[in-house]
Amino acid sequence: NAGVTQTPKFRILKIGQSMTLQCTQDMNHNYMYWYRQDPGMGLKLIYYSVGAGITDKGEVPNGYNVSRSTTEDFPLRLELAAPSQTSVYFCASSYSAGTGYGNTEAFFGQGTRLTVV
Amino acid sequence: AQSVSQHNHHVILSEAASLELGCNYSYGGTVNLFWYVQYPGQHLQLLLKYFSGDPLVKGIKGFEAEFIKSKFSFNLRKPSVQWSDTAEYFCAVKDGGATNKLIFGTGTLLAVQP
Repeated sequence: NAGVTQTPKFRILKIGQSMTLQCTQDMNHNYMYWYRQDPGMGLKLIYYSVGAGITDKGEVPNGYNVSRSTTEDFPLRLELAAPSQTSVYFCASSYSAGTGYGNTEAFFGQGTRLTVV
Repeated sequence: AQSVSQHNHHVILSEAASLELGCNYSYGGTVNLFWYVQYPGQHLQLLLKYFSGDPLVKGIKGFEAEFIKSKFSFNLRKPSVQWSDTAEYFCAVKDGGATNKLIFGTGTLLAVQP
């Protein structure tokens, strides 16, 4: 199983450029998440989605956008890159049902290391 | 707002010492609780999880955690650490229905000296 796949693994952007971080999962999970990880700060939730067509803001959404047109894909868009967006980005997915039956933990991708210069 | 606190930011232990890492959360309703480990340069891997039932949860590599609802805590323990346990450890909480967000603590960096 591929699990959660993120591309690219590394990227350097110039200030003001835009880019999309790709995330896809093949586990038919309904939940998907985007986090950024900065030293000493843990993982901060940027956006999350509870299913195709439904997204919501997390703790640090400013400067980012997401979409969820399919169950499998959850791309993260940076429109005007800023040095403050230099970070490691992780995508994750999980399954959660109202009954609680079959709920899983979050599975993580390998991460994207982004540097904005 | 839902939050997760990990009180130990940096822990240094000798091999064979016992480990306990604290985790407290703020959400008062039904929660799912997790501990993840991140080895240097790698992504997060699940150590253990609590959804319901027995509040004492056993995970991989000899780790365990106890959910104490009255204290809003989910502390991680291991009786005897090894050098290979050197890593960063994250506690995470997912609320049971209000927002379904999965929120992480700031992490604890564990260094085990041989």
